[in-house]
Amino acid sequence: DTAVSQTPKYLVTQMGNDKSIKCEQNLGHDTMYWYKQDSKKFLKIMFSYNNKELIINETVPNRFSPKSPDKAHLNLHINSLELGDSAVYFCASSQQGYGYTFGSGTRLTVV
Amino acid sequence: AQSVTQLGSHVSVSEGALVLLRCNYSSSVPPYLFWYVQYPNQGLQLLLKYTSAATLVKGINGFEAEFKKSETSFHLTKPSAHMSDAAEYFCAVSASRGYNKLIFGAGTRLAVHP
Repeated sequence: DTAVSQTPKYLVTQMGNDKSIKCEQNLGHDTMYWYKQDSKKFLKIMFSYNNKELIINETVPNRFSPKSPDKAHLNLHINSLELGDSAVYFCASSQQGYGYTFGSGTRLTVV
Repeated sequence: AQSVTQLGSHVSVSEGALVLLRCNYSSSVPPYLFWYVQYPNQGLQLLLKYTSAATLVKGINGFEAEFKKSETSFHLTKPSAHMSDAAEYFCAVSASRGYNKLIFGAGTRLAVHP
């Protein structure tokens, strides 16, 4: 049973489209995150939710909108996709920061 | 605020040689420290973590790291490299209190040659 699962694993789409990535964790953690890994492998936090409440919102274009229907799910919706949005997006969860478990990533390619 | 500096974006060792990957951190509160490994086209796997217990932390695959507060370092070592250790390694820091987020270093690519 996968601890943090993301779907889809690969996403290829055209510029201007809207797409969503879903994430679910079955660890009972209270905090979930979205990270972006760019082409140089650099990992940067985008958002964090604690018990469905947005607590971290880094400098991210407002085309990106996270949604957390419950504490086990955190989805990421991206409007009007741009070439620069191409990256690997990782979902993660943690319990009070003692350990962070990552999903396997979603490779987004915008063409 | 927290930050992480990984010295050396590429490290190359011979199979059987010592692996040393360097990580220095900055944190305004007592930190939690982590090492993650990423194999090509895969996700992030936790190697080990320091959460204010023992300063010498042992992880998976024979890796260990030592927390040195005076040097603000958390270097990763393995006595004998194996070909399968070739991967990208990330050091990360988070705050031990308040809302947590992981701040990553830029990564170190480890190459192991025969």
